[in-house]
Amino acid sequence: EVQLVESGGGLVQPGGSLRLSCAASGFTFSSYSMNWVRQAPGKGLEWVSYISGGRSPIYYADSVKGRFTISRDNAKNSLYLQMNSLRDEDTAVYYCARKDYYYDFVDYWGQGTLVTVSS
Amino acid sequence: EIVMTQSPATLSVSPGERATLSCRASQSVGTNLAWYQQKPGQAPRLLIYGASTRVTGFPARFSGSGSGTEFTLTISSLQSEDFAVYYCQQYYNWPPFTFGPGTKVDIK
Repeated sequence: EVQLVESGGGLVQPGGSLRLSCAASGFTFSSYSMNWVRQAPGKGLEWVSYISGGRSPIYYADSVKGRFTISRDNAKNSLYLQMNSLRDEDTAVYYCARKDYYYDFVDYWGQGTLVTVSS
Repeated sequence: EIVMTQSPATLSVSPGERATLSCRASQSVGTNLAWYQQKPGQAPRLLIYGASTRVTGFPARFSGSGSGTEFTLTISSLQSEDFAVYYCQQYYNWPPFTFGPGTKVDIK
């Protein structure tokens, strides 16, 4: 069974940093590209970042480019999102999301971790 | 960037009735269109991909259609467990992957 479990969310002040983690199990992690997708309170889904199974290529949404860094450790079956220079508008539930092996849609989502940016 | 729109924003339906949700892309995405279902407090779940292929685990009352820029998700007879928010997403031209704003299906 595919499982994606996020952690690392919490309350952080504007300008601060946070590192999210996603522990994957139930599939060959290194073979799959992964994404981070976020959802602000009461709002829709926004794609944040993508990383392929081999760590390249990597893509970011314009809204986070230069502030967030996606990475992965295939030996630990883990995905990460380093978030720096956080802003109020980064407040959201962050989902770890697996890309389908053959096509480019998301086939599995984690349960999400809440990041709140507030002073 | 391909912009996705959905209508209506909210659809009020009685149990047993048919629900028709629309999704439109700002340019052609072929059939590279997915639908997701999200219930309150839960993560989204993949429902349909390739515009019309239903994922295992969802009943046949869910169906998707369309190509190019116009897509439809139909729920033939609403059950209580179907009340949720439904998002469409294009994966034809990325990055960025883009989602529609969602349609909330609630009880009439």
